[in-house]
Amino acid sequence: AQSVAQPEDQVNVAEGNPLTVKCTYSVSGNPYLFWYVQYPNRGLQFLLKYITGDNLVKGSYGFEAEFNKSQTSFHLKKPSALVSDSALYFCAVRDRGSTLGRLYFGRGTQLTVWP
Amino acid sequence: KAGVTQTPRYLIKTRGQQVTLSCSPISGHRSVSWYQQTPGQGLQFLFEYFSETQRNKGNFPGRFSGRQFSNSRSEMNVSTLELGDSALYLCASSGALANTGELFFGEGSRLTVL
Repeated sequence: AQSVAQPEDQVNVAEGNPLTVKCTYSVSGNPYLFWYVQYPNRGLQFLLKYITGDNLVKGSYGFEAEFNKSQTSFHLKKPSALVSDSALYFCAVRDRGSTLGRLYFGRGTQLTVWP
Repeated sequence: KAGVTQTPRYLIKTRGQQVTLSCSPISGHRSVSWYQQTPGQGLQFLFEYFSETQRNKGNFPGRFSGRQFSNSRSEMNVSTLELGDSALYLCASSGALANTGELFFGEGSRLTVL
């Protein structure tokens, strides 16, 4: 069965410091991987995705993610955090054999960046 | 280009009632999916429609149903509401032709069941 784990419910970092939000997955084959962000009382916004190729993918707002096939991980990173990055972050996977709309989401990680 | 629009944004119902939620996808997008978000269960997939056909379905009881119209707008219906149906219901659309595409989410409809 497909599953996505975000081992940290909460991540706290100081503004200007690098941040990492962790994600591991258990999906048969080579899935497609996504990161989304959710601000309070809002929907999810797409940040980036890994389909194939370079293990480091760059996305919106200075975020990037590193795909590690051997560790089945897809950690979200940013070199210098901003207070405005504070939000709920979701990792998601799609089985390559599945339909477009079917994503499996992690439980989310609340990122707080303090000034 | 306008984003995904969901209506209503907030609604309150009582147990046993039914509710219909509406979703207008981004212009040109033919794929519409629905998700339920709760603090306890997180984000769970309800169903997916493409060109008026349901092509995938999550593990929800038959009280949850949906449909898609010829203009790609979609509705979902929940009958005989239960307290546990209180949630944020999110609609997402995509114009991708392959399943490598990302989804674009609306702001959701927050349902409270009393």
